[in-house]
Amino acid sequence: GQNIDQPTEMTATEGAIVQINCTYQTSGFNGLFWYQQHAGEAPTFLSYNVLDGLEEKGRFSSFLSRSKGYSYLLLKELQMKDSASYLCAVSTNSGNTPLVFGKGTRLSVIA
Amino acid sequence: DTAVSQTPKYLVTQMGNDKSIKCEQNLGHDTMYWYKQDSKKFLKIMFSYNNKELIINETVPNRFSPKSPDKAHLNLHINSLELGDSAVYFCASSQDFRDGQLFFGSGTQLSVL
Repeated sequence: GQNIDQPTEMTATEGAIVQINCTYQTSGFNGLFWYQQHAGEAPTFLSYNVLDGLEEKGRFSSFLSRSKGYSYLLLKELQMKDSASYLCAVSTNSGNTPLVFGKGTRLSVIA
Repeated sequence: DTAVSQTPKYLVTQMGNDKSIKCEQNLGHDTMYWYKQDSKKFLKIMFSYNNKELIINETVPNRFSPKSPDKAHLNLHINSLELGDSAVYFCASSQDFRDGQLFFGSGTQLSVL
């Protein structure tokens, strides 16, 4: 089976940088995804890593180390609208469940 | 044009009733899913269909029955609703079964009284 671990809650200040960590244990790793979910809304895709290293997309970057089973999502120049839950999800090519979500990290951005 | 649309957005009903949630995607994707998100916000897969064929059926009571008339539609019927069924149900689709980039519908908030 898969095990995905990420902090439950984080708080950061507007304009700052925050790093949300995710560790995972899985077999048949096929990629790591980050999703953003605002309260009362659907999750939306943010980023995808399949190879080690950093993927940058505007204010958001995601890093992956497959050997360590570790990823992080980096949010720069935080804005109030970044307050949301951030879900780490692992895709595998084994078993019947291709995408498994972590329990999410609720980020609160304060002034 | 909404990519993945599900109805209704809110569903309030009594225990023991039967209800359905409908989902449609216009993205031309092969795979569709139903996820359940509980009060602790944990998003858990229930079912997945690939080209109208059931490929994932997690440990879900058989009161829940998905139906896919074609690959653009995946409906969820729930019989004999229980209090514990109260949750947000999300429909989603992806290009194919191994694609982890999911497009979600707006969710259906089900409240069983």
